[in-house]
Order: sequence, then structure tokens, then C-alpha cells
Amino acid sequence: DAKTTQPPSMDCAEGRAANLPCNHSTISGNEYVYWYRQIHSQGPQYIIHGLKNNETNEMASLIITEDRKSSTLILPHATLRDTAVYYCIVRLLNSGNTPLVFGKGTRLSVIA
Amino acid sequence: GAGVSQSPSNKVTEKGKDVELRCDPISGHTALYWYRQSLGQGLEFLIYFQGNSAPDKSGLPSDRFSAERTGGSVSTLTIQRTQQEDSAVYLCASSPYIPRTLNAVNTEAFFGQGTRLTVV
Repeated sequence: DAKTTQPPSMDCAEGRAANLPCNHSTISGNEYVYWYRQIHSQGPQYIIHGLKNNETNEMASLIITEDRKSSTLILPHATLRDTAVYYCIVRLLNSGNTPLVFGKGTRLSVIA
Repeated sequence: GAGVSQSPSNKVTEKGKDVELRCDPISGHTALYWYRQSLGQGLEFLIYFQGNSAPDKSGLPSDRFSAERTGGSVSTLTIQRTQQEDSAVYLCASSPYIPRTLNAVNTEAFFGQGTRLTVV
């Protein structure tokens, strides 16, 4: 699976959009981009995933650049409960149930 | 419950003792994973089960660590002769079966709340 690079930490004001970047310059055509987050003292939680089109669900939006070398997770109206470590993971389309490989992620602090 | 359940939630043990950590995956999920997270660190993969077999146990740190899964459901992670460096949160996750064929869409892994192990 391709490697990802994320900033170690970010701050965001409550109520504002949180934009979390991820670089995956070696991504191949059959690799998905996945986002998970881990709130303190909890297990990781799935947020969203995408291949090449932008995706949106009730939690977030995922914007993938046209060349697929980077992506941005957007939390449109961050709340204090969104404070967590956010992990960007790249995974092969046909990897079956092979385990997720977590990097160091971005620690997002939402500030009142 | 509908989620992944782990027990105990907290375990304090003396150095040198053996411990067993239990994971109840979501019903029907064939894949089960164990991870470890030391204080302030990222998630470290330990072992992965597909049904009762373990295709990948490459992350087990030493032969003191073992895991089994019976009936394609409950899994137990056993640490023998615990050491202080074994202190960590042990997380379990499960997923439905996904074949390794082209165009098979990956799905999410569901994590439990973890077992916090403290070796004193």
C-alpha cells in the first residue's frame, strides 16, 4: 500500500470548517483513500473513503485532487467532539481483508 | 450489542504473570484483527484472522504473544510472562468477508473500545 504524509497537528476554531490534508504521491490507480479517526480513549472510527471522485457523507467530505496525489478531509462545522487523531490510509482495491496500516495521523484540536 | 466487544476493559497484572484478553466481533464478521497502542503512539498491527486461521501474524512482537479464534467468532490474545513494555491498549476490530478479487470493494473495520493493560 502507498505511503501517506500528514501534518502532525492542527487547530481549528469551533464552528469553522476543519480541512485536513494528506499527501499520497505514490498512489496507484487501484488504491482507495480511507480516513479514520480516534477520539481519546476510544477505538478508531471509520469516516469516509474514496477512489477518485469527491465523496460526502453525514460526517465529512473527501476531496481528492485530479492527479490523486493528495486529498483533503473536510469537517464542515467542527465541534469540540471532533477533537481526535485523524488517519489517512491508502489501500488496494482488491486487498480483501488485509489489515489496515495506520501511520501517525494528524492530531486535530478544536478550540472553543 | 451490535458492536465489537472487548473484555476486560482494564487489566492490571504483575510482571511475569500471564494474561488473556478477549474479543467478541460483530456477528457474521469473518475477519478479526488485533492491534496494540502504547501510550502516545500509533496503532501497531499484531495479528489478523480470517475465520479461524491467521493468514498474517507478522506483528506479534515475541513468542510470548499468541492468539486464537474459535468457531469463527470469539478471539483470545494471550500474553505469557508479561513485561512492563507490554503495557498498552490492545484493540480488536472486525470486518465482513471481502474476496481478494478485482473490483471487490473494501469496507470499513469496526473497532472495539480496547483493553488497557498495565503491567506493574
